[in-house]
Amino acid sequence: RKEVEQDPGPFNVPEGATVAFNCTYSNSASQSFFWYRQDCRKEPKLLMSVYSSGNEDGRFTAQLNRASQYISLLIRDSKLSDSATYLCVVNREGNQGGKLIFGQGTELSVKP
Amino acid sequence: NAGVTQTPKFQVLKTGQSMTLQCAQDMNHEYMSWYRQDPGMGLRLIHYSVGAGITDQGEVPNGYNVSRSTTEDFPLRLLSAAPSQTSVYFCASSYPDEAFFGQGTRLTVV
Repeated sequence: RKEVEQDPGPFNVPEGATVAFNCTYSNSASQSFFWYRQDCRKEPKLLMSVYSSGNEDGRFTAQLNRASQYISLLIRDSKLSDSATYLCVVNREGNQGGKLIFGQGTELSVKP
Repeated sequence: NAGVTQTPKFQVLKTGQSMTLQCAQDMNHEYMSWYRQDPGMGLRLIHYSVGAGITDQGEVPNGYNVSRSTTEDFPLRLLSAAPSQTSVYFCASSYPDEAFFGQGTRLTVV
């Protein structure tokens, strides 16, 4: 079993739709949690960190449930430009930055 | 604003050849990592470093060596290339939580 697992994709949604991605992690000692975005054949970039209290950045909302070891990302009012692969990422070692463990990614395709 | 620079961007190797993928960062970050990305597998951690002179293994270290003699540089060495090492390789530099990636090296081993 992979340490970080995500919903299989691809997700094909119309513009304006709300879409949710889920992720589970197996190491209960994990300290920090993130969502990264990766456009086709390019390097991943940080989308947002995920906090226990939940956090929102515009149309994006991230949630963390430590008891269930579950992370989610909600995208509201999807845009064509949201089409990308979304990577769930866990850092085992707190604010160390060096040991990020990635899920396999979920591909999102937003259609007109 | 160079950030993280990886070279080369593309490389074709023959089985058994060795080579070094270069990674340099100009952000003075202590933490650097190497990942490989294969279709359907996400990014898998090969090796990482928490500072100059300190390295450790990740999930898939076999067949790769690293060293960290300076804060800026973190080269990845393929000792004897195998077709299973055909992949896209990303170097990352991190502080404290955000990882900044290089543009990747697309390696094909024939």
